[in-house]
Amino acid sequence: NAGVTQTPKFRVLKTGQSMTLLCAQDMNHEYMYWYRQDPGMGLRLIHYSVGEGTTAKGEVPDGYNVSRLKKQNFLLGLESAAPSQTSVYFCASSYRRGGADEQFFGPGTRLTVL
Amino acid sequence: GQSLEQPSEVTAVEGAIVQINCTYQTSGFYGLSWYQQHDGGAPTFLSYNALDGLEETGRFSSFLSRSDSYGYLLLQELQMKDSASYFCAVRSPEAGTALIFGKGTTLSVSS
Repeated sequence: NAGVTQTPKFRVLKTGQSMTLLCAQDMNHEYMYWYRQDPGMGLRLIHYSVGEGTTAKGEVPDGYNVSRLKKQNFLLGLESAAPSQTSVYFCASSYRRGGADEQFFGPGTRLTVL
Repeated sequence: GQSLEQPSEVTAVEGAIVQINCTYQTSGFYGLSWYQQHDGGAPTFLSYNALDGLEETGRFSSFLSRSDSYGYLLLQELQMKDSASYFCAVRSPEAGTALIFGKGTTLSVSS
């Protein structure tokens, strides 16, 4: 049981390049999320999904797209990377159990855009 | 909108007790969660309070007062391994089960 995994762990991009971050979970969770974490800013929600084939915008969605074609995978895309997207990206998943909504996080992807 | 306020830094010594406060403003409150994050690592769930009162889990306790829009995380018998960032979070009223996080409190425990 791997939990939540993210690929890649590190990446350096040049401005204008594109890339896709992959998140996978093996806990059969319905809900999945992408957050970004910047120094002193906490975690901010980019996009989320409440089930296979559904996605929705979070707090800071501009410059990102997502897809959830399979229940276990949630992809985050950057079509034209900008230096402002330099950050640590965390994927998380959860299922409703009472009201706690405990979220399980992946190890993160550290992205630098030059 | 919603916002959460917590101190940016707290320092303490091994064996001590420390309290990390969190005040929140949100439309539609479901509960207050706490997460721990060691440097460079993934956040991990610590506790959740939906009702007023104290929830205890080992050395950690979490408290909620809905009328005051206030909660705290209490860490007892501090150990060096407790040095980490601690985030309070509430469910986003616009984003279903997604969470809105505070900016985090960095706890440094010294010997």
